[in-house]
Amino acid sequence: GAVVSQHPSWVICKSGTSVKIECRSLDFQATTMFWYRQFPKQSLMLMATSNEGSKATYEQGVEKDKFLINHASLTLSTLTVTSAHPEDSSFYICSASVGQGAYGYTFGSGTRLTVV
Amino acid sequence: LAKTTQPISMDSYEGQEVNITCSHNNIATNDYITWYQQFPSQGPRFIIQGYKTKVTNEVASLFIPADRKSSTLSLPRVSLSDTAVYYCLVGDHGRDDKIIFGKGTRLHILP
Repeated sequence: GAVVSQHPSWVICKSGTSVKIECRSLDFQATTMFWYRQFPKQSLMLMATSNEGSKATYEQGVEKDKFLINHASLTLSTLTVTSAHPEDSSFYICSASVGQGAYGYTFGSGTRLTVV
Repeated sequence: LAKTTQPISMDSYEGQEVNITCSHNNIATNDYITWYQQFPSQGPRFIIQGYKTKVTNEVASLFIPADRKSSTLSLPRVSLSDTAVYYCLVGDHGRDDKIIFGKGTRLHILP
């Protein structure tokens, strides 16, 4: 089946630094990918929709200058958390559509970001 | 996207059948019902999808009444490894439509 690979699975960074998270579609092309953030004991919150070759669409309340999204190819989208702060510590998940219908969405394994 | 309502949490015992019901009163004609499972520190995983009546796969069954205003995910003979959060999603998802997750149901299986 369609697989989305997310890397790294966990990262610890110092406050003020930037961190890049990669999301790759391994056996299919993804024109659109989605980025979610999840805090402990909470549901997934959609941050942005990443479109290949164009600017990402951010959900209301998500700072586009802080969470930089690049979708330069049909198999790779990246999320860069810039000038990270402890409150950015969270679980970040990407997903991509592989076909019509909700069953067509596959998710990455997630990235645990801890900012110290 | 239709709003969904699920129980926040449920407990059950190993070997039991677990039924999780999701209400979606405003479901539209073209909407499908999809359930995802999420383990701690992992991305969601597709379980089952249906439009009406009953759907069964190797993991679960999905029961949808004629009015489609609710659906029930049935997990037969659960084990400890079924402890997870289960999300009910309703929508007419085009290829690139975004998915908005509700709160989900936290299922805890006891030995």
